[in-house]
Amino acid sequence: QGQLVQSGAEVKKPGASVTVSCKASGYTFTTYGISWVRQAPGQGLEWMGWIAAYNGHTDYAQKFQGRVTMSMDTSTSTAYMDLRSLRSDDTAVYYCARDGVWGWFDPWGQGTLVTVSP
Amino acid sequence: QSALTQPASVSASPGQSITISCTGTSSDVGGYNYVSWYQQHPGKAPKLMIYDVSDRPSGVSDRFSGSKSGNTASLTISGLQAEDEADYYCSSYTSSSTRVFGPGTKVTVL
Repeated sequence: QGQLVQSGAEVKKPGASVTVSCKASGYTFTTYGISWVRQAPGQGLEWMGWIAAYNGHTDYAQKFQGRVTMSMDTSTSTAYMDLRSLRSDDTAVYYCARDGVWGWFDPWGQGTLVTVSP
Repeated sequence: QSALTQPASVSASPGQSITISCTGTSSDVGGYNYVSWYQQHPGKAPKLMIYDVSDRPSGVSDRFSGSKSGNTASLTISGLQAEDEADYYCSSYTSSSTRVFGPGTKVTVL
C-alpha cells in the first residue's frame, strides 16, 4: 500500500529557499516516482514536477523551471523538493505523492504548509 | 490557469447520479489513457478514486466509475451519498511527460 511522511511546516521570508522532505515506506521506493503538488489557500491542485526514483530523471512544470529542484536519497527512500526565491504567492500546502510513472498519484503525504511572509 | 477544464460545481440529491467532465486536448486527455480522478475533503489530502481512465483502486466504492471519449474524460458517481460531498480533480499525463490537473469541481449533496 505504502505511506509517505513529510517534514513539518515552514515559515520563510520572501527571497528565501525551502526544502520539503518526503519519506516513503511500505513499498519499493525505486519502482515508482514521486510527484510534488501544491495547493494555495482556497485554490486547486497544481502539479510542480516529478522525479523517477528508479533513475533520478526529473520533469518540472514550466512555471517552476529554474526555481525548483527535486532530488532523492534511495538509501533512505526519501524525496526532496527545493523551491528558491520564495514569494508570497508560494504560500501553500505542498504534497508529495507516489507517481505511478504514467501520472496517477497514490498514496499522498500529509502535506506541508509553507508560509512566505515578510 | 489549468490546461484541463471542469465544471465549477455539481449538485444532486442523495441517491441520484452525477457526472463530472474533464476536457483537455489531444496532447493530454485525448492522447493517452492516463486520466485519473481525486477526491478531496476539506483539510485532507487528495485520494485517488480512478486511474488509467476507468480503473478503480482497491477499496474505492464501485459507485465511482470513469470513462473517456475523445478529449473529454468523465467521472460518474452513482447512488450519491452525503459522504461524497467533496472537491473532485481530474489529472492527465501529457505529451511533455508532465502531468496536469483540472481546476476542480465542488460536489454538493442536497
